Amino acid sequence: EVQLVQSGAEVKKPGESLKISCKGSGYSFTNYWIGWVRQMPGKGLEWMGIIYPSDSDTKYSPSFQGQVTISADRSISTAYLQWSSLKASDTAMYYCARHVEGELLVVQWGQGTLVTVSS
Amino acid sequence: QLVLTQSPSASASLGASVRLTCTLSGGHSSYAIAWHQQQPEKGPRFLMKYNSDGSHNKGDGIPDRFSGSSSGAECYLTISSLQSEDEADYYCQTWDTGRVLFGGGTKLTVL
Repeated sequence: EVQLVQSGAEVKKPGESLKISCKGSGYSFTNYWIGWVRQMPGKGLEWMGIIYPSDSDTKYSPSFQGQVTISADRSISTAYLQWSSLKASDTAMYYCARHVEGELLVVQWGQGTLVTVSS
Repeated sequence: QLVLTQSPSASASLGASVRLTCTLSGGHSSYAIAWHQQQPEKGPRFLMKYNSDGSHNKGDGIPDRFSGSSSGAECYLTISSLQSEDEADYYCQTWDTGRVLFGGGTKLTVL
């Protein structure tokens, strides 16, 4: 069974760092783009960026460039989304998403990781 | 620059059919589109990939009540024999030169 399993909910303070994960299984992790999508409370889906695990080619939405870092560890089939200094406005649900081979269309979603940033 | 536009809301009666629209603007009209469903308090679920040649590929377990089509710059998701569990937000998604785009989503209410 093809699965994307994300790390658990996080509660952090402003200024703290954070790295959340998304582990892929049941498919060839290195051969599919995998990305991150933000959903703020009551809002729609926002594309943050994607990575191709085979060569770590990474693309970011202009809205998130410089704000987060996307990485992947091929040896454990895991993608990451990282912040160096969280803000209250980063409070949201974050989903990882696998794209179809050869196209940047999402065909699978992780279950989501809720990140709460509050002092 | 390519933009996907969806109506914020739609409604239809139990057992009826509804067609949701995703309009592509700012680029050419020949794109593959993915449709996703997000039921209340749940994560998104991939429904189908609709290709510019009219073919489509559905996600696992997606019933035949869900179908895709297009006309020019408009892509459609049609849901027939509406059920209560179809009440959800529906998002279209595509891509363009290394970036991923989502429509703003349509909130479907089943009356």
